[in-house]
Amino acid sequence: GENVEQHPSTLSVQEGDSAVIKCTYSDSASNYFPWYKQELGKRPQLIIDIRSNVGEKKDQRIAVTLNKTAKHFSLHITETQPEDSAVYFCAASKGDKLIFGTGTRLQVFP
Amino acid sequence: GAVVSQHPSRVICKSGTSVKIECRSLDFQATTMFWYRQFPKQSLMLMATSNEGSKATYEQGVEKDKFLINHASLTLSTLTVTSAHPEDSSFYICSALWGGRHGYTFGSGTRLTVV
Repeated sequence: GENVEQHPSTLSVQEGDSAVIKCTYSDSASNYFPWYKQELGKRPQLIIDIRSNVGEKKDQRIAVTLNKTAKHFSLHITETQPEDSAVYFCAASKGDKLIFGTGTRLQVFP
Repeated sequence: GAVVSQHPSRVICKSGTSVKIECRSLDFQATTMFWYRQFPKQSLMLMATSNEGSKATYEQGVEKDKFLINHASLTLSTLTVTSAHPEDSSFYICSALWGGRHGYTFGSGTRLTVV
């Protein structure tokens, strides 16, 4: 079955710096890769997603890259702000299901 | 659009009792609903997939007799935790598939505490 690994588990950056979170997946049939931001006790919020027919996607300060051959994808946040502090999860599709990564706690210090 | 309403947001129950969690799609028909469990500081673990009018499909290791899922209509799916124990205390969250092509919307989650 699909296995999604995510690194790092925690990430601390200074405000204005960039943050990169990486995920690898095991199922070559996966074709949809969303990233979610989750604040404590709240539902996950989709921040960006990418499909397997695209290598890179950008939305303002957030970008995602996908390497299908190597089966990994990464989230890039530039010009980080304190309000970016949260837990971020990657996910990979398995049919209609989403299998989530283990999460990254991002702390942005002012 | 594509809103899923989940209730209750918090529930405390005694060991041995059952708790029902509801997820309603408010402005679309949710033919497929996913149920996740999230322990503190951990990831969302898929428990089961429910499809309207048919039996739920459970992930490996999830007890189907303990976590009863009913998806009797296109707008309502329920998860009942039966004979709850303290180890069942967790954050339960539903997610509906809408619009095809991997459009997912999440409920707001239910914090279950079993005492």
